[in-house]
Amino acid sequence: SQTIHQWPATLVQPVGSPLSLECTVEGTSNPNLYWYRQAAGRGLQLLFYSVGIGQISSEVPQNLSASRPQDRQFILSSKKLLLSDSGFYLCAWNIQVNYGYTFGSGTRLTVV
Amino acid sequence: AQTVTQSQPEMSVQEAETVTLSCTYDTSENNYYLFWYKQPPSRQMILVIRQEAYKQQNATENRFSVNFQKAAKSFSLKISDSQLGDTAMYFCALGRGSYQLTFGKGTKLSVIP
Repeated sequence: SQTIHQWPATLVQPVGSPLSLECTVEGTSNPNLYWYRQAAGRGLQLLFYSVGIGQISSEVPQNLSASRPQDRQFILSSKKLLLSDSGFYLCAWNIQVNYGYTFGSGTRLTVV
Repeated sequence: AQTVTQSQPEMSVQEAETVTLSCTYDTSENNYYLFWYKQPPSRQMILVIRQEAYKQQNATENRFSVNFQKAAKSFSLKISDSQLGDTAMYFCALGRGSYQLTFGKGTKLSVIP
């Protein structure tokens, strides 16, 4: 069966520290992968998406970056976190649009 | 560009009653898909129901059903016999083309005992 793992679940980081959030998908090949951010009580903001290894598209200019070193691995990074990076980060995958997305369980990031 | 609009930021319903959440969208495509996602307080996003635009019949999943009006570009979600566990944010989403979804800003639904 197909599953998606996202970790860590919760993270508290000081301003200026680096960030690495990881997402992996099991049970499928060549998935489309997405990173979303959600501020408290707000909608979903698409940050990055990837249709293949090494292929990253950025939707919003910011101090975050994404990488896809393996087919089913998607990493969200930052060299120096800002207070405004706080939020809930969701990873998602799909193969085709007709079945929507499957989401990971999310990471709650607090930058202090 | 395609857009999804949820005009009701917050709604409430009494337990066991019926509630309808509104969603309108705009796309120039003829072939597309529509979705409702539920995000409970745990914040796990869960697919509630999906609708193919080429199907006239409204989708139904247990207590959840949609009213899909293609000409009006409307896709509302009806929850019957509301339960406390239905308390959540609900997101409407539109998918077309190869892979990406466009989401509305969400409606926060509270079910009152």
